[in-house]
Amino acid sequence: GAVVSQHPSWVICKSGTSVKIECRSLDFQATTMFWYRQFPKQSLMLMATSNEGSKATYEQGVEKDKFLINHASLTLSTLTVTSAHPEDSSFYICSARDRVAGGAGELFFGEGSRLTVL
Amino acid sequence: AQSVAQPEDQVNVAEGNPLTVKCTYSVSGNPYLFWYVQYPNRGLQFLLKYITGDNLVKGSYGFEAEFNKSQTSFHLKKPSALVSDSALYFCAVRDRRYSSASKIIFGSGTRLSIRP
Repeated sequence: GAVVSQHPSWVICKSGTSVKIECRSLDFQATTMFWYRQFPKQSLMLMATSNEGSKATYEQGVEKDKFLINHASLTLSTLTVTSAHPEDSSFYICSARDRVAGGAGELFFGEGSRLTVL
Repeated sequence: AQSVAQPEDQVNVAEGNPLTVKCTYSVSGNPYLFWYVQYPNRGLQFLLKYITGDNLVKGSYGFEAEFNKSQTSFHLKKPSALVSDSALYFCAVRDRRYSSASKIIFGSGTRLSIRP
């Protein structure tokens, strides 16, 4: 199947700093990528839909200025957690759909990034 | 509005026995339906999907799921469980009326535990 690479897998940062997480589709192009947040023993919470070449669409309650999303190419989307605080500590997962597959295509997920803010 | 329900937080099965993980959905139109599995500290892996055609869908690792339109269900099944099947399973739905950029809605997840 298609591969989505997410980096870094683990990151520890100090409160007040910013952290960037990259999501790359390695063998397909994705006009749309999705960013999720997952709390322990809970389901995925969709944070935003990243659209190549345009602004991301954020879910209700997600701060746009806090979680900056950039989708500069058909294979790369980045999530930047700005001025991180301990409550931002979480497991962040990206996913992408092959644009050729269209609406019936399944999502391919990255391996996730565990963020710990001290 | 779209929604997915996984009524069981946890399912416990003995190895070798059949397993079922339940999923019901609600969409206004016709759905695309998906099952994913998640191992600890990992992303989600695609298992199978229903688009159209045969209601019984076969997927990875011996799993299958049956689309039942009248009951709006898409239960995941496996004839003989393995200990390695122990993981967190997510059902997901997307209303095919919307654009391909629209989001997929995930259920709350069911933790499957297979005892030796």
